[in-house]
Amino acid sequence: GDSVTQMEGPVTLSEEAFLTINCTYTATGYPSLFWYVQYPGEGLQLLLKATKADDKGSNKGFEATYRKETTSFHLEKGSVQVSDSAVYFCALSTGANSKLTFGKGITLSVRP
Amino acid sequence: DAGITQSPRHKVTETGTPVTLRCHQTENHRYMYWYRQDPGHGLRLIHYSYGVKDTDKGEVSDGYSVSRSKTEDFLLTLESATSSQTSVYFCAISPGQKAGELFFGEGSRLTVL
Repeated sequence: GDSVTQMEGPVTLSEEAFLTINCTYTATGYPSLFWYVQYPGEGLQLLLKATKADDKGSNKGFEATYRKETTSFHLEKGSVQVSDSAVYFCALSTGANSKLTFGKGITLSVRP
Repeated sequence: DAGITQSPRHKVTETGTPVTLRCHQTENHRYMYWYRQDPGHGLRLIHYSYGVKDTDKGEVSDGYSVSRSKTEDFLLTLESATSSQTSVYFCAISPGQKAGELFFGEGSRLTVL
């Protein structure tokens, strides 16, 4: 079955540091890939997505590139802010009924 | 903000009692989902619906049932709550045109004692 593996957390960074959060996937067919973010006390919201190989999703300074050869979708940001502190989930969808399969999530804390 | 309302937002109950969580949407979206969020597991799909009276099981459906008698409402029922069902439950909706783009509610925290 489909699955998503995220790097173990939590991650703590200083403000303006570079961020990489690793995500790899296993799926039948050609999935779409997503990063969702959950701020404290809130539900999840879509951060960015990519629907085919070599696509790059980007939003709010975050980027991720769909790498089919390495089945990866790593999230990066060049300079994190305290306001980026949240839980980040990598997810995939194979399109059937728009269901999402999530990774376990990783907590990012950014200190001033 | 997507028009999704979950109720109740917090509930404490005892083992063996029935519990119903409600998800209400004002977007007229076709698809609705119930996920549970647990530390170390991320989000796992319980049940989903692709239309009125059309529902299907997710990966962790045992002990849960759902109903969707109207487009706007999707109910999740625990017939006899157990401590293992202590969790945060999220409802999500999707119009379906863009696969995987879901809008989530704020969650319902359920504690089963």
